[in-house]
Amino acid sequence: EPEVTQTPSHQVTQMGQEVILRCVPISNHLYFYWYRQILGQKVEFLVSFYNNEISEKSEIFDDQFSVERPDGSNFTLKIRSTKLEDSAMYFCASSRGFNGELFFGEGSRLTVL
Amino acid sequence: RKEVEQDPGPFNVPEGATVAFNCTYSNSASQSFFWYRQDCRKEPKLLMSVYSSGNEDGRFTAQLNRASQYISLLIRDSKLSDSATYLCAVKAPGAGSYQLTFGKGTKLSVIP
Repeated sequence: EPEVTQTPSHQVTQMGQEVILRCVPISNHLYFYWYRQILGQKVEFLVSFYNNEISEKSEIFDDQFSVERPDGSNFTLKIRSTKLEDSAMYFCASSRGFNGELFFGEGSRLTVL
Repeated sequence: RKEVEQDPGPFNVPEGATVAFNCTYSNSASQSFFWYRQDCRKEPKLLMSVYSSGNEDGRFTAQLNRASQYISLLIRDSKLSDSATYLCAVKAPGAGSYQLTFGKGTKLSVIP
C-alpha cells in the first residue's frame, strides 16, 4: 500500500537554527500538507500546497516557515530560525483530490533546545 | 466557542461494549466531516468520512446532525484493537479552503 514517508523521524536542534523536514507524498496525489501537533495538543493545520504553490496557510505559518517541492517527489518544510515553541510533531500529508481524506506520514518529531 | 470540540474522555469500556462519541463544530457552513483515528504517538489515520445521510463501515457508524452541529461515531462490539484516540475533523467551508480543523480527540480504552 502506498504511503507518505517522512525524514528525519526525530531531530534535535538548538534555538535559532534552521531545520528542513522532508516528505515524499504518495506518487499520484496532487495536494500536499503540513500539520503539526504539540505534545498533548490537537493536530493543527500549517499549510497546503497544490500545483506548485501554496494554496492556503494558517496563522502559525509565518515568515519563519516555507515549503518547497524541489523535484517531482519531495515536499519540504523549512523553519528558518527555530524557537522553543516550534517543538512538536510535524506531519506531512497528501491527498489525491481535496475531499478531506488525507494520508499522513509517520511524522517528524522536532525538539528545539 | 472552540471550532471543533470533543469530550476528551477517557472512555474505558469492556470488550464487546458499544460506545459513542460526539463532536460539535461551530461553523454552520461547514460541509465535510471526518473521523480519524490516532494511536499513541502515531499519525492520524482516516477512519471514515461522514455523509449527510449517515454511513456505516462494519462496526463503525458515523452520523451528522446539521441542526445541532454535531457529528457522532458509534463503535459496536468494541475490540481491544479499537483502543486509540478518535479525532473529529471538519473541512472549512468554501472552495478555496483546504484545511481540516481537528478536535483534540477522545481517548478510548477497551479493557479485556
